[in-house]
Amino acid sequence: GENVEQHPSTLSVQEGDSAVIKCTYSDSASNYFPWYKQELGKRPQLIIDIRSNVGEKKDQRIAVTLNKTAKHFSLHITETQPEDSAVYFCAASYFGSSNTGKLIFGQGTTLQVKP
Amino acid sequence: EAGVTQSPTHLIKTRGQQATLRCSPISGHTSVYWYQQALGLGLQFLLWYDEGEERNRGNFPPRFSGRQFPNYSSELNVNALELEDSALYLCASSLGGFNTEAFFGQGTRLTVV
Repeated sequence: GENVEQHPSTLSVQEGDSAVIKCTYSDSASNYFPWYKQELGKRPQLIIDIRSNVGEKKDQRIAVTLNKTAKHFSLHITETQPEDSAVYFCAASYFGSSNTGKLIFGQGTTLQVKP
Repeated sequence: EAGVTQSPTHLIKTRGQQATLRCSPISGHTSVYWYQQALGLGLQFLLWYDEGEERNRGNFPPRFSGRQFPNYSSELNVNALELEDSALYLCASSLGGFNTEAFFGQGTRLTVV
């Protein structure tokens, strides 16, 4: 069945360091890969997404890379700040003519940025 | 612009009862998605409604059901509540069609005692 594996489950970094979170998906038809940030007690918020026709996308301090062959995508956060502390979820989905409408989420990574 | 709103914020029910959760999507969004976020289990897909129709459902028993109204708001019903139904239920909306970006509501925390 469809599955997304996310690692690590927890990540602690010093302020200013980089953080990398990795996900692997099982459904080769997946073509849309969003990343959500969920702060404690708040709703998940989309921070960046990538479609299968590109290999990398950047938005200021965050970037996502996609390796379709390996069915693997990663989130990179540079120059981390305490406000980056949150739970990060990756997800995968297929959107197209036979749209399933569902995102398959990874288990989440709790990122702690120490001042 | 108002975001996705859900009500109630918290709901406490007894085992065997029914729970009804409500979601209002962002204005103009026709697709509504429901997810269950149980402790330690991430977000699990429950249901997808688009243009008033149920388009897909996740691997949940039939006692989880819902509907989408003509104004695109949605309701999730959980019958015969079990203790393991205790979770945060999140609703998300998107423009529908091939539009992929989904915006989440703040969730309804359901506690079954």
